[in-house]
Amino acid sequence: AQKVTQAQTEISVVEKEDVTLDCVYETRDTTYYLFWYKQPPSGELVFLIRRNSFDEQNEISGRYSWNFQKSTSSFNFTITASQVVDSAVYFCALSEAGRNQFYFGTGTSLTVIP
Amino acid sequence: DGGITQSPKYLFRKEGQNVTLSCEQNLNHDAMYWYRQDPGQGLRLIYYSQIVNDFQKGDIAEGYSVSREKKESFPLTVTSAQKNPTAFYLCASSPRTGGTGANVLTFGAGSRLTVL
Repeated sequence: AQKVTQAQTEISVVEKEDVTLDCVYETRDTTYYLFWYKQPPSGELVFLIRRNSFDEQNEISGRYSWNFQKSTSSFNFTITASQVVDSAVYFCALSEAGRNQFYFGTGTSLTVIP
Repeated sequence: DGGITQSPKYLFRKEGQNVTLSCEQNLNHDAMYWYRQDPGQGLRLIYYSQIVNDFQKGDIAEGYSVSREKKESFPLTVTSAQKNPTAFYLCASSPRTGGTGANVLTFGAGSRLTVL
C-alpha cells in the first residue's frame, strides 16, 4: 500500500531560523516519484519539486533544499533562513511511475514569526 | 496565461440541495482530478478522469458525481447524499502519463463549500 506520513502537524519558527519538514513514505514499487507542494493562505497548491526514485542526489534551490534517502524512505525539506512569506501548509506526495494517481500526506503547517 | 479556474470561490448551501463546482483548464491537460481538503486530513481524492468521457472513483466518491464531456471541463456535483459536505475542494490537472513518468499536478485556487 502507498502511504505518505508527515508527522509534524504544525511548526513555528522565528524568522531567519532554519526549519526541516519531514516526509516518510511507503510503496512497494521500485520506480516512483516524490513531490513537495506549498499551499499559501490563498489556497492554491504550488509545485516545489519532483524527484524520482533513482535520483538520490540532494537538491538545492535558493533557500530550499531536499534530502532524499531511500534507506529510510524519507524525503525531507529544509528551508534555510526562513522568511514570513514561507508561512504556508506544505504537502509531501507520492506517485507511482506510469500512473496518474497521487498520495498526499496530511501536510505540515509552518508559521514563521517575524 | 494557462491555468485552472475554479468557481465559485465560496458557496453556501442548505441541507438537501445539490451544488455544482466548476473546474475549467486551458492547459490542454488530459487528466483532471477533484480533491477534498479537511483540516488535519490532507487531500483526499474524490474522482479523477484520464480522458474525455471517462472517469474513475477515488477514495471518497460517495455523495459526489462528475462528468467529463469536454477536455477542458470537469465539474463536480456535491449531492444531498454527501453527509458532511462542508470542506475546501481543489481541482487539479496534469498531462496524461506515459511510460514510467509521473506528471506534476497543477491546482486551481479551490472552492470553499459551507452547508448551513
